[in-house]
Amino acid sequence: EVQLVESGGGLVQPGGSLRLSCEASGFTFRSYAMTWVRQAPGKGLEWVSAVSGSGGDTYYADSVKGRFTISRDNSKNTLYLQMNSLRDDDTAVYYCAKTEVGVAAPGAWGQGTLVTVSS
Amino acid sequence: QTVVTQEPSFSVSPGGTVTLTCGLSSGSVSTSYYPSWSQQTPGQAPRTLIYSTNTRSSGVPDRFSGSILGNKAALTITGAQADDESDYYCVLYMGRGISVFGGGTKLTVL
Repeated sequence: EVQLVESGGGLVQPGGSLRLSCEASGFTFRSYAMTWVRQAPGKGLEWVSAVSGSGGDTYYADSVKGRFTISRDNSKNTLYLQMNSLRDDDTAVYYCAKTEVGVAAPGAWGQGTLVTVSS
Repeated sequence: QTVVTQEPSFSVSPGGTVTLTCGLSSGSVSTSYYPSWSQQTPGQAPRTLIYSTNTRSSGVPDRFSGSILGNKAALTITGAQADDESDYYCVLYMGRGISVFGGGTKLTVL
């Protein structure tokens, strides 16, 4: 059974940094691209970033480009999202998801971790 | 910037059939966009029902099916049940590693 467990969320001040983790199990992690998706309170889903199985190719939404960095450690079956220069509008639940077709088509999802950016 | 469009809301009677759609503000959706559909109930994580147009995720009942209808991707639910009342999101792959979600459809079963 595929399992994805996010961690690292919390309260951070505007301009601060946070690193999210997503620990994967139940599948051959290195064989799949992974993605981060977020959901602001009361809003819809927003695609944030994706990374290839090897970690060599990364992609970002314009809203986070230059501030967020996606990475992965295939030896630890773990996906990361380093978030810098955080803004109020980054407040959201962040989900990691396993993609089914290259970097497209999210399949299994984690339960999410809440990031709150506030002074 | 291309926007992914979904009906904001839809209603269906118990036992009925409903088709939700996912389009583009400019252009037509094809299988090359690998349209995927996720279901989300309040306070829960999303659950993918369909990916890559018409592939059902493991454990998803065959009441849920995906297709391309005209110039849009479509999610059809047959034999609607009360617990199908949820938000439904489509996501399209735009190429160059980028995906975009639609705004979601709130489905009411009544």
